[in-house]
Amino acid sequence: EDQVTQSPEALRLQEGESSSLNCSYTVSGLRGLFWYRQDPGKGPEFLFTLYSAGEEKEKERLKATLTKKESFLHITAPKPEDSATYLCAVPSEYGNKLVFGAGTILRVKS
Amino acid sequence: NAGVTQTPKFQVLKTGQSMTLQCAQDMNHEYMSWYRQDPGMGLRLIHYSVGAGITDQGEVPNGYNVSRSTTEDFPLRLLSAAPSQTSVYFCASSYSFGDRASYEQYFGPGTRLTVT
Repeated sequence: EDQVTQSPEALRLQEGESSSLNCSYTVSGLRGLFWYRQDPGKGPEFLFTLYSAGEEKEKERLKATLTKKESFLHITAPKPEDSATYLCAVPSEYGNKLVFGAGTILRVKS
Repeated sequence: NAGVTQTPKFQVLKTGQSMTLQCAQDMNHEYMSWYRQDPGMGLRLIHYSVGAGITDQGEVPNGYNVSRSTTEDFPLRLLSAAPSQTSVYFCASSYSFGDRASYEQYFGPGTRLTVT
């Protein structure tokens, strides 16, 4: 069965305090891993796609990396505007659908 | 482009009532899907469609119906609302599903549904 697990559930950082979010998955034959950002009261917004182990993608203070069993979203020197829920997802082995993790709620305080 | 639009934004139903959540996209996307989002459970797929006239069930389809008569529209019908269907519903679309260029899904703003 497809499974995507994100940790921690919630993370509180001070502005400038770097950290990482984790996304682990059990699907075999990975066809990609996707990171989304979701602001309160809004729909998720696409951030990154990673396709193979060792791949990295960057956007401003965010860097996503991928290994064979997990992905990390590194946040360097975060700002309050980085506060959001971060979701990861993988394509299911069983049909045309994405399987999402429960998300990590990030709060960055100034 | 308006992207993915959803109506209504908020809705309160009584148990047993039926209603339709509307979803439309103007990006000529083939793939459309409906998710529900509940606290601590992430996004769960209800139904999806790979093109006009083709729909399939997701993870939590019971109590919901869909149809896809046009590329642009993908309505979600609640047949007989139950309190367990209280949730936030998101519609999403992408060019297709199955090749590397197409997994980027665009989400609508959501419909917050309360069933009393």
